[in-house]
Amino acid sequence: EPEVTQTPSHQVTQMGQEVILRCVPISNHLYFYWYRQILGQKVEFLVSFYNNEISEKSEIFDDQFSVERPDGSNFTLKIRSTKLEDSAMYFCASSGGTGRDEKLFFGSGTQLSVL
Amino acid sequence: AQSVAQPEDQVNVAEGNPLTVKCTYSVSGNPYLFWYVQYPNRGLQFLLKYITGDNLVKGSYGFEAEFNKSQTSFHLKKPSALVSDSALYFCAVRVRSNDYKLSFGAGTTVTVRA
Repeated sequence: EPEVTQTPSHQVTQMGQEVILRCVPISNHLYFYWYRQILGQKVEFLVSFYNNEISEKSEIFDDQFSVERPDGSNFTLKIRSTKLEDSAMYFCASSGGTGRDEKLFFGSGTQLSVL
Repeated sequence: AQSVAQPEDQVNVAEGNPLTVKCTYSVSGNPYLFWYVQYPNRGLQFLLKYITGDNLVKGSYGFEAEFNKSQTSFHLKKPSALVSDSALYFCAVRVRSNDYKLSFGAGTTVTVRA
């Protein structure tokens, strides 16, 4: 089965530094998402992206966050100035459509630790 | 607001016994309900979904789930659990037709002992 791949698997950074989390969605998918899970908490929606623009974002996705699809294969999440509370597992996902019954394909996640 | 609740943090069963993972939902419209599973060091994998029609849906790896509108539940079941079913299970809901996000439950860790 095709897979969503994420790199790196672990990222350690100092508070205030910028980080970029990278994802390669499934090749024929058109819709892309970032979710995160803080340790011990629920998986939370951050942002969805289609046709080179954000289609929906949560209140978590403030000005410190940005997403980009710089080429035909990568989808990145940038955190401009990391905070301690940004420490979490970040999941990328993609889907072929946005029907309500559409299933998402998730990557294995990037564990971000902000010190 | 839409939400799902998974009342049990952990479920422990013996191999060969039935497995049930509970999920209840709270939405203002008709829900689309999903179950995902996460094995160690892997991403979330789709198991099954309820959209409409038959309340009993069948999914991957022998799992099934029953949609119960009166009880607002969507419990995941497997008649005979395997040790390899040990994983973290997430229930999720989506409501509005133009709503891109899934709302996830907190997850239930299933341990199947040999």
